[in-house]
Amino acid sequence: DSGVTQTPKHLITATGQRVTLRCSPRSGDLSVYWYQQSLDQGLQFLIQYYNGEERAKGNILERFSAQQFPDLHSELNLSSLELGDSALYFCASSRPGQGENTEAFFGQGTRLTVV
Amino acid sequence: GENVEQHPSTLSVQEGDSAVIKCTYSDSASNYFPWYKQELGKRPQLIIDIRSNVGEKKDQRIAVTLNKTAKHFSLHITETQPEDSAVYFCAASTGNYGQNFVFGPGTRLSVLP
Repeated sequence: DSGVTQTPKHLITATGQRVTLRCSPRSGDLSVYWYQQSLDQGLQFLIQYYNGEERAKGNILERFSAQQFPDLHSELNLSSLELGDSALYFCASSRPGQGENTEAFFGQGTRLTVV
Repeated sequence: GENVEQHPSTLSVQEGDSAVIKCTYSDSASNYFPWYKQELGKRPQLIIDIRSNVGEKKDQRIAVTLNKTAKHFSLHITETQPEDSAVYFCAASTGNYGQNFVFGPGTRLSVLP
């Protein structure tokens, strides 16, 4: 168990719908990252938050949005879903290392299936 | 921004042989290089990492080397076992207090018995 919790584990929804994926980072971790992993593909970086503020943005579609709340949990909102959005969505978190970079811990992922 | 390339994309080795995966990065400011292993349907998990002030690090059968001048780093697995079969991702990270991670595209390693 990495300490990063993602809910739900599985999600099946229809095209055109909107879903929200939730991530609770490890205790003390201020950074949250979202990644999309399509079948047999790599980890596509979507967005990063640090202590409530957006830090970096990857190839995130305009239909997707995210936020990090004061309690540091994060939500990824996916709207107007398309079949191609079906993927495994990972959340990861990391802890500021007092001047040193530290590893990112991954949650178990949310498997989204759009039908 | 940072760009990380990884080679090969697939690698098959016989059990007991060594495996080497290589990554290159573009941003000279990157200073932390983790390697993750992802088994089928599971989360990526850190297996080893190296910081820019170190040239080599070893942990049992796994080692990582870093060449800052050439901007490349490599993962070495010796005495491979079937349970080493997985997808391996390298990453480069820059900054702290909000560091970003850029991952390579991954290498699918198959260890044949």
